[in-house]
Amino acid sequence: EVQLVESGGGLAQPGGSLRLSCAASGFTFSSYGMNWVRQTPGKGLEWISYISSSSTPIYYADSVKGRFTISRENAKNSLYLQMNSLRDEDTAVYYCARDTDGRIVGRGVVDYWGQGTLVTVSS
Amino acid sequence: DIQMTQSPSTLSASVGDRVTITCRASQSISSWLAWYQQKPGKAPKFLIYKASSLESGVPSRFSGSGSGTEFTLTISGLQPDDFATYYCQQYNSYSLTFGGGTKVEIK
Repeated sequence: EVQLVESGGGLAQPGGSLRLSCAASGFTFSSYGMNWVRQTPGKGLEWISYISSSSTPIYYADSVKGRFTISRENAKNSLYLQMNSLRDEDTAVYYCARDTDGRIVGRGVVDYWGQGTLVTVSS
Repeated sequence: DIQMTQSPSTLSASVGDRVTITCRASQSISSWLAWYQQKPGKAPKFLIYKASSLESGVPSRFSGSGSGTEFTLTISGLQPDDFATYYCQQYNSYSLTFGGGTKVEIK
């Protein structure tokens, strides 16, 4: 059974930093690209970053480019999101999400999602 | 970025109804469209890819169609488990983008 478990969310001040982690199990992590997707009540679902199985290529949404960094450690079945220069509008539930690029479906679709971790940016 | 627009934003229906949700892209995305279902407090669930291909395990009452800029998700014979919010998502190009969602509620 595919499982994705996020951690590291919490309260951060504007301008501060947080690092999210995602522990993956139940599949060959090193064969799949991974995404971070966030959700706010006001803006719905927003894709923010993708990393391929080999860590190249990497893509970011314009809203986080230059502030957030996605990375992975295949040996540890782990995905990360380093979030710097946080803003109020980064407040959201952040989902770790498996890409379908390891399947015949191809890249850019999410077939499994974690339960999400809440990030609140507030002074 | 490609903008995805869903309509309606809310849909009231009864068990057994046939419901259709529309998703429009701001430019052609060929058939690179996926659909998801989300229930309150839960992560989205993957339903359909490439506009009309059903993910394994998804009931056959769900179907998708369309290409280019206009797409539909149809639920034939709405079941109690289907009351949820549905999102479309384009994967023609990065940034990946989602529609605003359509909430299917009980009439």
